[in-house]
Parts: sequence; C-alpha cells; structure tokens
Amino acid sequence: ETGVTQTPRHLVMGMTNKKSLKCEQHLGHNAMYWYKQSAKKPLELMFVYSLEERVENNSVPSRFSPECPNSSHLFLHLHTLQPEDSALYLCASSQELAGVYEQYFGPGTRLTVT
Amino acid sequence: QKEVEQNSGPLSVPEGAIASLNCTYSDRVSQSFFWYRQYSGKSPELIMSIYSNGDKEDGRFTAQLNKASQYVSLLIRDSQPSDSATYLCAVNEGAQKLVFGQGTRLTINP
Repeated sequence: ETGVTQTPRHLVMGMTNKKSLKCEQHLGHNAMYWYKQSAKKPLELMFVYSLEERVENNSVPSRFSPECPNSSHLFLHLHTLQPEDSALYLCASSQELAGVYEQYFGPGTRLTVT
Repeated sequence: QKEVEQNSGPLSVPEGAIASLNCTYSDRVSQSFFWYRQYSGKSPELIMSIYSNGDKEDGRFTAQLNKASQYVSLLIRDSQPSDSATYLCAVNEGAQKLVFGQGTRLTINP
C-alpha cells in the first residue's frame, strides 16, 4: 500500500448504528486530519492530530469521535448520526518541512445516513 | 473563520488554450498556498504549492502569488481535456490548518 488509504470506501448506516472509519498513511508523516466534504460546500476541517495528540477540534458534534492510536492510523467513530451527516469523509496526512505542512488526501469514504 | 474565495464557475476553456483560475484570501498573515485538483467522485490531489511572491512553474502549471493584493492564481497552459476537474485553492491558517475555497469547476472543450 502507498500513500493514504481509507476503509471502507462506501458506507450506508442507519441513524442508530455505530460504525468506524479507518485511515492509514504510509508516508511517514506525523500529522493526520479528518475533513468533511458536502455537496456545494468547501472542505470542512474536523480534527487535526499532530504526533498523536489532538490539536484541533473544529466544533464538531460529539457524535463524531476521533482516535489516533499511532502516527500511521486514524479512526473516526460514528454513532447516532443524522441524515445531514451524509458526505464524503476525507483523511489527510502531512509532515512539517521548513514550517510548511503539505497535506495529502486519501480516497475518502462516501457515507450515507438513512 | 478566515475566508478563501473562488469563482465556482463553470469555467470553459478550449483545448490548447490557457486556463486561468483565481483565488483571494482574507488572512494577511497566511504564508502557504496550495492548489488541489479534484476529479468528480475522487479526492483532492495536491498539484502546486507556493510560499513566496511571484511565479512558480511546474510543467504546464504556473502558480502566481501576490501577498499585497491577497490573491493567488493558477495558470494551466496547453489545456487538455484531462485537465477538466474542480480546482481547490487552500490557504494556511496557523501551522497545520488549511482553509479551502469552494473550488472552481473547469471544463476543457475539445
């Protein structure tokens, strides 16, 4: 595997279900991110982890719960979601170089909440 | 919340012509600027980054930055149908956070 991988690629879940999204980066980066992309809206940053510590929580509802067990893996635990949470969820990773963080994205998980 | 503005398009350009994409940003202290390309149904792909005023060229792509006017642009020379995609402008807010524009949809007409 190379780059940033995400599983599953597609997920349909009911409002009472609990599911988890998984992200793995094979780039040796030390920061990982979760984004939400909805139709006709800009990419929204949800969470940032740097060296496995959460450094940003962008006013995300508690029904989204991130977990970063090590620098290569990132999870997003989902429970009691709403239909408006249906979106493309993107994971990204980056490594600091001269004060700059270039972010590289995984393929995303297309989530549908029914 | 800092803002990044892009014309949503669609922008139609004939094959072989130069496509010009523009982006303005609100945060004067931003230092890092990125262009991502996103094909329909796919994730964003980083194609250019620029940190200093002026031009930066990479193949058919040229990024231009003017910090005084707070705009960054992307030129695509010799446009190809495969360049048809949505182009996202992103600007740093702090060390690790990026703020994205809504994207410009570009169509290259054969």
